Amino acid sequence: EDKVVQSPLSLVVHEGDTVTLNCSYEVTNFRSLLWYKQEKKAPTFLFMLTSSGIEKKSGRLSSILDKKELFSILNITATQTGDSAIYLCAVVTPPALSGGGADGLTFGKGTHLIIQP
Amino acid sequence: DGGITQSPKYLFRKEGQNVTLSCEQNLNHDAMYWYRQDPGQGLRLIYYSQIVNDFQKGDIAEGYSVSREKKESFPLTVTSAQKNPTAFYLCASSWGRVNSPLHFGNGTRLTVT
Repeated sequence: EDKVVQSPLSLVVHEGDTVTLNCSYEVTNFRSLLWYKQEKKAPTFLFMLTSSGIEKKSGRLSSILDKKELFSILNITATQTGDSAIYLCAVVTPPALSGGGADGLTFGKGTHLIIQP
Repeated sequence: DGGITQSPKYLFRKEGQNVTLSCEQNLNHDAMYWYRQDPGQGLRLIYYSQIVNDFQKGDIAEGYSVSREKKESFPLTVTSAQKNPTAFYLCASSWGRVNSPLHFGNGTRLTVT
């Protein structure tokens, strides 16, 4: 069974701190890894990672994938209160059925990040 | 603006009643999905549809039903057979191609008493 484990499950830091969120996975056939940020409602897409060792960056957020060690990290530097959210990691795998079907998508439980002023 | 609209935001029902959650998208996406989110758990796939008039069960389809009569609409019915229906339900869509990221609606919080 495909598995995605995020750590920590929750994290409280002060504004200005740097945080690192972890996502490790065990899947039969890896395609890509996705990071989402979920505030009160809909998760919003942050990054898609397919290649090992190539950092994706967007402002203060960055992410990197290690396909050998089967994990990814999401870094947030100079955190702000607006970064408070649940961060979800998901791994994409090929369809379970040969010849068709949707990609498999396994989500971790998320990391609940709270940034205190 | 393109997006996914779920309605209503909050829904309250008595036990034993069926309830239908609406999901509409104007992104022209082929694939649509329903997920359930419970506290302390990741998103779990209920049903998905890659094309009109076709849909497949996800990991936790029991007690749910869907239809896909139009490309832009994918309603989810929570039936009385669903043992723990109280949850946050998220609808999503994508191009359905390899590595297409999901776009999510704002969710419907269903409470059954």
